Amino acid sequence: NAGVTQTPKFRILKIGQSMTLQCTQDMNHNYMYWYRQDPGMGLKLIYYSVGAGITDKGEVPNGYNVSRSTTEDFPLRLELAAPSQTSVYFCASSYGGAGFFGPGTRLTVL
Amino acid sequence: DQQVKQNSPSLSVQEGRISILNCDYTNSMFDYFLWYKKYPAEGPTFLISISSIKDKNEDGRFTVFLNKSAKHLSLHIVPSQPGDSAVYFCAASADRSGGSNYKLTFGKGTLLTVNP
Repeated sequence: NAGVTQTPKFRILKIGQSMTLQCTQDMNHNYMYWYRQDPGMGLKLIYYSVGAGITDKGEVPNGYNVSRSTTEDFPLRLELAAPSQTSVYFCASSYGGAGFFGPGTRLTVL
Repeated sequence: DQQVKQNSPSLSVQEGRISILNCDYTNSMFDYFLWYKKYPAEGPTFLISISSIKDKNEDGRFTVFLNKSAKHLSLHIVPSQPGDSAVYFCAASADRSGGSNYKLTFGKGTLLTVNP
């Protein structure tokens, strides 16, 4: 059981570039989430999904998009990277209880 | 507007003593509370939770207390061990969908250092 895996671990983007953060879970969880953590701050919910084909906005969705075509995968898309999106991104999944988090992707936008 | 507040950025305790981490919340709709532990360069790991119908939940060395009237919860670690040194996040959920969706609101975290 790998749990929740995220790729890449680190990435540097230039302003205006786009990228996709990958997230995969092998626990057959229905619920998946994307959070971001800025320095000295708590985690903030970007988007979440309650099952394949169903997604919804969290607290800070602007500048991001998601899709959920399978139970296992929940990629996060940044279309036009901005310096304000410099953060550590965590993907999580749950069965309805406490979430299991991936190791994070550290993204820097310059 | 911070709905979940951890007012102590850091806490230092001696090994073997009790660690008490505090958390306050403002949203009366929160009815499920969790504590996560986070080591550097890793994702948060679930530690313990409590439902609003309880005032205490215990798991080994970890106990969470909930005071709903004060909108306050605390995590007690007894005895503290050097391996407990990490950032601890308090999180809360307003369970609007019948117990099946745990969108979490997090505090900023408290860095606990347990000295040998």
